[in-house]
Amino acid sequence: DAKTTQPPSMDCAEGRAANLPCNHSTISGNEYVYWYRQIHSQGPQYIIHGLKNNETNEMASLIITEDRKSSTLILPHATLRDTAVYYCIVRVAVKAQKLVFGQGTRLTINP
Amino acid sequence: GAVVSQHPSRVICKSGTSVKIECRSLDFQATTMFWYRQFPKKSLMLMATSNEGSKATYEQGVEKDKFLINHASLTLSTLTVTSAHPEDSSFYICSARDGQGAYNEQFFGPGTRLTVL
Repeated sequence: DAKTTQPPSMDCAEGRAANLPCNHSTISGNEYVYWYRQIHSQGPQYIIHGLKNNETNEMASLIITEDRKSSTLILPHATLRDTAVYYCIVRVAVKAQKLVFGQGTRLTINP
Repeated sequence: GAVVSQHPSRVICKSGTSVKIECRSLDFQATTMFWYRQFPKKSLMLMATSNEGSKATYEQGVEKDKFLINHASLTLSTLTVTSAHPEDSSFYICSARDGQGAYNEQFFGPGTRLTVL
C-alpha cells in the first residue's frame, strides 16, 4: 500500500471549515483514499473514502487532486467534538484487507 | 454504520495472569477480524488478522503464543493475552470487516484498556 504524509497537528476555530491535507504521491491506480478519525480513548471511526472523484457524505467532503497524489478532507463546520486524530490511509479496496495506520493529524478545534 | 463491540472496556490484572478480550460484530457477519494495539500517543499497530474458522495471521514481531486469537464464529473473535506483564499494558482495539459490503469496510470496536500491575 502507498505511504501517506500528513501534518502532525492542526488547529481550527469552531464553526469554521477544517481542511486536512494528505500526500500520497506513490498511490497506484487501483488504490483508494480512506479517512478515519480517532477520538481520544475510542476506536477509530470511518469517515469517507474515494478513488478519484470528489466525495461527500454527512460527515465530510473528500477532494482528490486530478493526479491523485494528494487529497484534502474537509469538515465544513467544525465543532468541538471533531477534535481527534485523523488518519489518511491508501489501500486497494477489494483485495487488501489490512489498514495500516500512519501517525495521522491531531486536529484541535478551538472555541 | 455497522456496530462492533468489545468486552471488557477496561481490565486490570496482576502480572502472570491471562486476560481474554472479546470482539463482536453486532449486526453483520465478519469473515475477517483484526486486532490492533495502541500505546499512549502512538498510532495503531496491527497485531494480527483472523479469518473465521482458520488460524490467525500475525504481524512480524507479534508473539502468537502470547497473544492467542480465536475466531470461532462469524460474529465473535477473542484475543487472550497470556502470562501478561506490565509491558503488555496497552489499548487493544479490534475491527471487523463486513464481507458483504461493497468496499470491504472495516468497523472498529471501542477498545479495551489493559493495565497489568
